[in-house]
Amino acid sequence: KQEVTQIPAALSVPEGENLVLNCSFTDSAIYNLQWFRQDPGKGLTSLLLIQSSQREQTSGRLNASLDKSSGRSTLYIAASQPGDSATYLCAVPGGGNKLTFGTGTQLKVEL
Amino acid sequence: EAQVTQNPRYLITVTGKKLTVTCSQNMNHEYMSWYRQDPGLGLRQIYYSMNVEVTDKGDVPEGYKVSRKEKRNFPLILESPSPNQTSLYFCASHPSGRTDTQYFGPGTRLTVL
Repeated sequence: KQEVTQIPAALSVPEGENLVLNCSFTDSAIYNLQWFRQDPGKGLTSLLLIQSSQREQTSGRLNASLDKSSGRSTLYIAASQPGDSATYLCAVPGGGNKLTFGTGTQLKVEL
Repeated sequence: EAQVTQNPRYLITVTGKKLTVTCSQNMNHEYMSWYRQDPGLGLRQIYYSMNVEVTDKGDVPEGYKVSRKEKRNFPLILESPSPNQTSLYFCASHPSGRTDTQYFGPGTRLTVL
């Protein structure tokens, strides 16, 4: 059974810092991995999708990497801003056309 | 605008009082699902539907029912809610076979007293 873990569970950084969020998964037989952002009272927004054939995917200040063999993905956020404060979730496809989610990292970027 | 809507957004109820959370999507997606989110446990799939009249259990189906009479709607039914069903619920939809284009509703926060 696929298990997805995210470390740290919570993170507080000053504005402007570069930071890394970690995601690990137990079953490396995945065909993609997604990173989502969750804001309080709102749904999930897909940030980045990495196909299994890719090692990295970039969108603006966000860069996600994927290492299937080690069962790890990282989300790098450059020059963090208060507007980046949210919960970040990683997810991989599972059986039954579902996504298996990690428990999330709650990020707070302070002025 | 492509979207998934859920109603109500917030609900406080008492044990045993039947309730329904509605979900609707306007993208003609075949696949819809319900998740619940709990602290420390992440999002877990409750039920999913691959098309009209086709539903199946996810990881945590106990205490829930669903129906898919129309392609756009996928209501979640709690026949006899209990306090352990207090949670944040998300509905999602995507084209068949494309979990990478999944759209999520805004969530329904349910409290069962």
